[in-house]
Amino acid sequence: NAGVTQTPKFRILKIGQSMTLQCTQDMNHNYMYWYRQDPGMGLKLIYYSVGAGITDKGEVPNGYNVSRSTTEDFPLRLELAAPSQTSVYFCAIKEGLSSPLHFGNGTRLTVT
Amino acid sequence: QQQVKQSPQSLIVQKGGISIINCAYENTAFDYFPWYQQFPGKGPALLIAIRPDVSEKKEGRFTISFNKSAKQFSLHIMDSQPGDSATYFCAASKDGYKYIFGTGTRLKVLA
Repeated sequence: NAGVTQTPKFRILKIGQSMTLQCTQDMNHNYMYWYRQDPGMGLKLIYYSVGAGITDKGEVPNGYNVSRSTTEDFPLRLELAAPSQTSVYFCAIKEGLSSPLHFGNGTRLTVT
Repeated sequence: QQQVKQSPQSLIVQKGGISIINCAYENTAFDYFPWYQQFPGKGPALLIAIRPDVSEKKEGRFTISFNKSAKQFSLHIMDSQPGDSATYFCAASKDGYKYIFGTGTRLKVLA
């Protein structure tokens, strides 16, 4: 989706491995989000950021870490991958409080 | 209090029919109710949204009906087309920057 780039598109991890999911935006939006999507569960907020240097936990932050050193980038870190982290991860951006969320096309992660 | 309950989980409609998806919420502080459409392999995209000061909003074939007293809102897709086959999510927000999403409805429109 225009403005939000997520890499990689697919990844298979072994239990205990670590990885970083990348999210980059070129819209200069302050608000950035990480969601995970599981079948029948909808989208759950993992972490969000309202600007560079500011991050906060969402509904399901355990097992994840984030950083926001620049406006453009909001990487999501998995330190010790677990099978429960098998999911599709979406990064989203938002210009302001009255603006809609714009999602990237997701990263499909499998932990085996 | 923070949940948004969405139904049905899946829906099959004939081409030209009306698709109806329902959502219910508990938190009366929610003041923004968007619907998102998601095609396979893509991220969700905003379809239509409503605030509680109106009871209905229409954009083309898509209409949101909002019942504040019942704390329910629904998406109606008129003249449903095969190209509407997708997963639909309702959501609610009370602060403008965090959304609570429903569990999704997989819609299939038969040609």
